[in-house]
Amino acid sequence: DTEVTQTPKHLVMGMTNKKSLKCEQHMGHRAMYWYKQKAKKPPELMFVYSYEKLSINESVPSRFSPECPNSSLLNLHLHALQPEDSALYLCASSQDGGGGNQPQHFGDGTRLSIL
Amino acid sequence: RKEVEQDPGPFNVPEGATVAFNCTYSNSASQSFFWYRQDCRKEPKLLMSVYSSGNEDGRFTAQLNRASQYISLLIRDSKLSDSATYLCVVARGAGSYQLTFGKGTKLSVIP
Repeated sequence: DTEVTQTPKHLVMGMTNKKSLKCEQHMGHRAMYWYKQKAKKPPELMFVYSYEKLSINESVPSRFSPECPNSSLLNLHLHALQPEDSALYLCASSQDGGGGNQPQHFGDGTRLSIL
Repeated sequence: RKEVEQDPGPFNVPEGATVAFNCTYSNSASQSFFWYRQDCRKEPKLLMSVYSSGNEDGRFTAQLNRASQYISLLIRDSKLSDSATYLCVVARGAGSYQLTFGKGTKLSVIP
């Protein structure tokens, strides 16, 4: 069982909808991540939060808006998405930001479909 | 040279076989290396970190050759449950949050 919990597991939304993906971890990790994964491709990094501050945005379109309310929670707000945004969205966390061998632990993802 | 390159696969091996995966990386400043496994339509799961001296975890052995920028994973006595895609993962630079994933190698262990 994963120690990073993501909700919802599945989400279907229209292009005009606003929805949010949620991620929670209680391992005391101080770095949290959002990834996007398309079928048969490796995960692609979207955002990194370190100590609750956004430290990396990999040139992600503004229709994706991350938020880190506290050290255990990470949200991804979605608005006006396109069909090509359909993918598996993975949240991950690591013990702290950068430095040393700090593996990332993944949640089981939200499978998003845009109609 | 791609940032992280892996054997293309797929590897189809009988139960009990030994199988080896190879991976090369291009960024000589990389300091952290990992193997993850990913089952179909599931999240990547950390299999093991890779240390300079090499490390072993049960049937799994990981090796790192910094001079050649090469990482390997050896699986002994393959089980049906080992069937998955194995991802070679490298931190982009020293102390980097940013991981670069290889495209993965699919392993099927056949009864």
